[in-house]
Amino acid sequence: DAGVTQSPTHLIKTRGQHVTLRCSPISGHKSVSWYQQVLGQGPQFIFQYYEKEERGRGNFPDRFSARQFPNYSSELNVNALLLGDSALYLCASSPLQGPGYGYTFGSGTRLTVV
Amino acid sequence: AQSVTQLDSQVPVFEEAPVELRCNYSSSVSVYLFWYVQYPNQGLQLLLKYLSGSTLVKGINGFEAEFNKSQTSFHLRKPSVHISDTAEYFCAVSELDGTASKLTFGTGTRLQVTL
Repeated sequence: DAGVTQSPTHLIKTRGQHVTLRCSPISGHKSVSWYQQVLGQGPQFIFQYYEKEERGRGNFPDRFSARQFPNYSSELNVNALLLGDSALYLCASSPLQGPGYGYTFGSGTRLTVV
Repeated sequence: AQSVTQLDSQVPVFEEAPVELRCNYSSSVSVYLFWYVQYPNQGLQLLLKYLSGSTLVKGINGFEAEFNKSQTSFHLRKPSVHISDTAEYFCAVSELDGTASKLTFGTGTRLQVTL
């Protein structure tokens, strides 16, 4: 069975540009979350979606947005990129809503802003 | 909101020696705890999790962790490490924050195994 897949794996963008990152959850998983991992730090929560509704967002500016599609895949969008947005962006899926369910992570998208 | 403290940023150890990676969390009524491993240029892989029940949790690759409610700790152990265990290890707590189900991670511990 396919795990959580993310695309692209790497990309380089210029300051001020926009980027879209994509995530396909494990088949049957209805929850998708996004995390930002800056080099040398633990991942930080950005968004969680369940059944196509935003359930929460972390302490990130409005330049960050996301959505979940009817097939439960998800996109993370970042506008007006800053150098500080350079990070590994991780997507995680979970079968249901709730803190007791396991989270499976994808391999991430490495974003470099120059 | 919960917080997680990983007391050691780096742990050097010789191959076949035992290792303990320490993790403390902030107190809560219910707590769900996880350990993840991250190999270079990869995502996070789940090692083990504590949801309820037995306080000793066994995971993959010979790792185990013990949940200690009185000390709010969830330390990760392995009796004999291998070179291939060299990686970054993250402790995390899962919680409901409003309507969001999310993980809060520690800052990570770099395990460096040498011959």
